[in-house]
Amino acid sequence: QSALTQPRSVSGSPGQSVTISCTGTSSDVGGYNYVSWYHHHPGKAPKLMIYDVSKRPSGVPDRFSGSKSGNTASLTISGLQVEDEADYYCCSYAGSWLFGGGTKLTVL
Amino acid sequence: QVQLVQSGAEVKKPGASVKVSCKASEYTFTDYYIQWVRQAPGQGLEWMGWINPNNGGTNYAQKFPGRVTMTRDTSISTAYLELSRLTSDDTAIYYCARYRGGSYRFDLWGQGTLVTVSS
Repeated sequence: QSALTQPRSVSGSPGQSVTISCTGTSSDVGGYNYVSWYHHHPGKAPKLMIYDVSKRPSGVPDRFSGSKSGNTASLTISGLQVEDEADYYCCSYAGSWLFGGGTKLTVL
Repeated sequence: QVQLVQSGAEVKKPGASVKVSCKASEYTFTDYYIQWVRQAPGQGLEWMGWINPNNGGTNYAQKFPGRVTMTRDTSISTAYLELSRLTSDDTAIYYCARYRGGSYRFDLWGQGTLVTVSS
C-alpha cells in the first residue's frame, strides 16, 4: 500500500485560512471514516488534531476542521496563527494504518 | 502527567539490532495498545505495528518480515520495539503512540528515538 498523497507545502498569512488535502483510494480514505490528522514540530511528539474525519479532541481549537469527499480528506485551518506553523500528517485506517507524506505549513 | 517517554538515541552498525523502549506514565498501561511509527530523514510517517499490552498480542506491518519484535513489561508500564538486521534504510526517528482499540486514532505520542545505522 502506498502512502497517502499530501501537498509538500502550503502557506498563508496570519488570519487567513488554508486547506491541506490528503488523497488516497477507495481502499483507505474513501473506504473508512477513520481519517486523522497530526500536527508535528520536528523534534517533538506529534499531536492529534482531528480524528474520525472531522472530530476534534478536547483542547484543539475549533479553527481546525476536517472533512472528506470521496477518496480525499482535507484539513482546514482558519484564522491562521504563527504557532500553527508545523508539519501536518494525515492518516487513514485501511486494515492497517497509512500515513501521508506530510505537508509543511508556513505562516508568512 | 500522562505521557510516553522513549529511550535515547542509538547508533548501530549494519546487521545489528536495536531495542527502543517506551514508558507510559499516569494512565493504565493495559487499557491502550502501543503503536510504533517511524520517520526516515526527509520522509513521511510509516506505520510499523502494534502491541496490545493487556495480552501481548501483536500485529506487524508486512514491510518488516521477521525483523520486528514488539514486547512489553507490564510491571514497569513499558513497551519495546526491537528491529534486527539493520540497514542504512532503517535510519529514522522511531515513535511510540497510544491507541485505544476501536478508536482509530493515536491520541498520545512519545518524543521519538533517533536510530542511526552507519558503518
